[in-house]
Amino acid sequence: DIQMTQSPSSLSASVGDRVTITCRASQSIRRYLHWYQQKPGKAPKLLIYAASSLQRGVPSRFSGSGSGTDFTLTISSLQREDFATYYCQQSYSSPQEYSFGQGTKLEIK
Amino acid sequence: EVQLFESGGGLVQPGGSLRLSCAASGFSFNIYAMSWVRQAPGKGLEWVSSISASGGSTYYADSVKGRFTISRDNSKNTLYMQMNSLTAEDTAIYYCAKEANQLIAPFDYWGQGTLVTVSS
Repeated sequence: DIQMTQSPSSLSASVGDRVTITCRASQSIRRYLHWYQQKPGKAPKLLIYAASSLQRGVPSRFSGSGSGTDFTLTISSLQREDFATYYCQQSYSSPQEYSFGQGTKLEIK
Repeated sequence: EVQLFESGGGLVQPGGSLRLSCAASGFSFNIYAMSWVRQAPGKGLEWVSSISASGGSTYYADSVKGRFTISRDNSKNTLYMQMNSLTAEDTAIYYCAKEANQLIAPFDYWGQGTLVTVSS
C-alpha cells in the first residue's frame, strides 16, 4: 500500500501570507497526485490534479509542484476563504487503491 | 452541471446493514468510474470502494472487503453501496465521487455526503 504523509498537520497563517503544504508518498507515484480543499460541513473540492494542473475555476493563487515522492501545494497570497483543511491523494495505484494524506488544517493566525 | 446526491444513511445497530445510493446527473454517468470515500467524525478522508464505468470491475479497501458491495445501475444513473456487518468503525460521512476520465484521474466531483452512524 502507498502511504501519503502531509506536513504540517496544522498551520496558522495570516491573510496575504504565502503558504506551502508538503505531501510525501511512500514510493514513487510519478505525477499521480491531487490536492483537495475541504471546508467544515462541506464535501472536498478538487484544486490541483496531476501534481500541477489547476482545476477549472480554481483561483490562480493555488499552485502545485513535484513528482516522484515529494509534492507541494502553495497558496501565493492567502485569502480569508482559503482557511480550510487540505488533503493530498494519490491515484498511482488506481483502481485497486487510492490513498489520502492525513490532512493539513490551515487556520487564521 | 454535474450533481451527485447521496441518500440512505442513518442510524443502524452493530451487525446491521444499510444501502447507500448516489443519484448522478449532468454528465454521461455510464462512461465514468465512480467511488465511495468516507470520513469518520473529525477524521480524514478514506477511500472505500471503486467501480468501473461498466460495473464489470470493482475494488475495495481492506477495511471493508467482504462486507461492502459497490454496484451501479447505468440505466438509472445511480451508484450504490450495500454495507453489511457494520461496526462502530464504519461510522462516517459517505461521499460518492466521480473519477475524471483521463490518464491521471482525480475525483473531480463529490456529492454532499450521507451520514452513517453505527451504534446500539
